[in-house]
Amino acid sequence: DADVTQTPRNRITKTGKRIMLECSQTKGHDRMYWYRQDPGLGLRLIYYSFDVKDINKGEISDGYSVSRQAQAKFSLSLESAIPNQTALYFCATSDQGSAQAFFGQGTRLTVV
Amino acid sequence: SQQGEEDPQALSIQEGENATMNCSYKTSINNLQWYRQNSGRGLVHLILIRSNEREKHSGRLRVTLDTSKKSSSLLITASRAADTASYFCATGFSGGYNKLIFGAGTRLAVHP
Repeated sequence: DADVTQTPRNRITKTGKRIMLECSQTKGHDRMYWYRQDPGLGLRLIYYSFDVKDINKGEISDGYSVSRQAQAKFSLSLESAIPNQTALYFCATSDQGSAQAFFGQGTRLTVV
Repeated sequence: SQQGEEDPQALSIQEGENATMNCSYKTSINNLQWYRQNSGRGLVHLILIRSNEREKHSGRLRVTLDTSKKSSSLLITASRAADTASYFCATGFSGGYNKLIFGAGTRLAVHP
């Protein structure tokens, strides 16, 4: 969905490096989410935010941090990347009145 | 652990046949949604059914919800090769939160 843009789309990084994944949206939604997808495990929620400055941990927040400094932007950081953080990462948005989520195209992260 | 679990994990059918996928969940929900994912791409919302609804239709899609059994099914009628994708159920919770928890998905292959 072009309304939710993730950068970069692909990234290879080394163990121990800090990396940031960016998500921006033009839908005007107040709620934003970061998910991780591993083969056979579906999507798991890392962090979510219901408004600027609001941050909530999801199922698997260890090793990750997020920042929501503007309504349209929600960034995910890996402070010290490790190989088992190799996965496909998705950002999603929704608004307060609708339960439907809109997803970005994903960021494929490889930690070597 | 994940809230929703889809069954079967993989399904292979011929064009024109119907495809049925099931989803079971563990806790009380506000709504249940189905999403589709083409290989490695972002998820696309298909249909939402609220906890007070039992059945919903959208084109060739039919979704049922049985809250007493904590289960839902997605039926795709007259399948096409273009329906080949992974299908995920996602549960939304009560209390005004739109946090979605996804299952592991069903991989559907429709052969011409």
